[in-house]
Amino acid sequence: AQSVTQPDIHITVSEGASLELRCNYSYGATPYLFWYVQSPGQGLQLLLKYFSGDTLVQGIKGFEAEFKRSQSSFNLRKPSVHWSDAAEYFCAVELGTARQLTFGSGTQLTVLP
Amino acid sequence: NAGVMQNPRHLVRRRGQEARLRCSPMKGHSHVYWYRQLPEEGLKFMVYLQKENIIDESGMPKERFSAEFPKEGPSILRIQQVVRGDSAAYFCASSPLPGGDTQYFGPGTRLTVL
Repeated sequence: AQSVTQPDIHITVSEGASLELRCNYSYGATPYLFWYVQSPGQGLQLLLKYFSGDTLVQGIKGFEAEFKRSQSSFNLRKPSVHWSDAAEYFCAVELGTARQLTFGSGTQLTVLP
Repeated sequence: NAGVMQNPRHLVRRRGQEARLRCSPMKGHSHVYWYRQLPEEGLKFMVYLQKENIIDESGMPKERFSAEFPKEGPSILRIQQVVRGDSAAYFCASSPLPGGDTQYFGPGTRLTVL
């Protein structure tokens, strides 16, 4: 079955440390890929997206993600985490005739001072 | 340009009542997607509408749920005879075109069913 998997439910890092959030997808072709961030009680904000071309994409707030076709992965990274990055992060793919988004179950990020 | 507006932000209903959730898309956007986020889960697609048309409702529960996007006014997600399992956050996203690359999300409506 087609799916988006975020294997880490919760990640804790210290402020200033590097971060990598994992995302794997299971589809026959390369879908359009997205990362969103959701702060408590808020809607979703798009961090970055991948459609084609350069497999390393830059996003807002210093985030980047790398698409690896061989591993069916689209992992999100940030070299130095700030306390304000504490939030929930969702990986998503676009599919379906309606081109709707299918989301992973999310990774909750806690940042220690 | 104001973002996607949703109201109410919080809605409390008793079992058996009706819930109406409103979504005003961004100016110039004629495509609306509704998603539901159950506790501790990611968002799940419910329905995709264009002005006056339901294009894809494959994610909608078969009973009690309906959606509309009239020519004038906001998109409405209606839940009749709510049950406790309907408690969730409901998000809408608007887009000038179909597709995930241009969907802008509203802040959501958090529905609590007592």
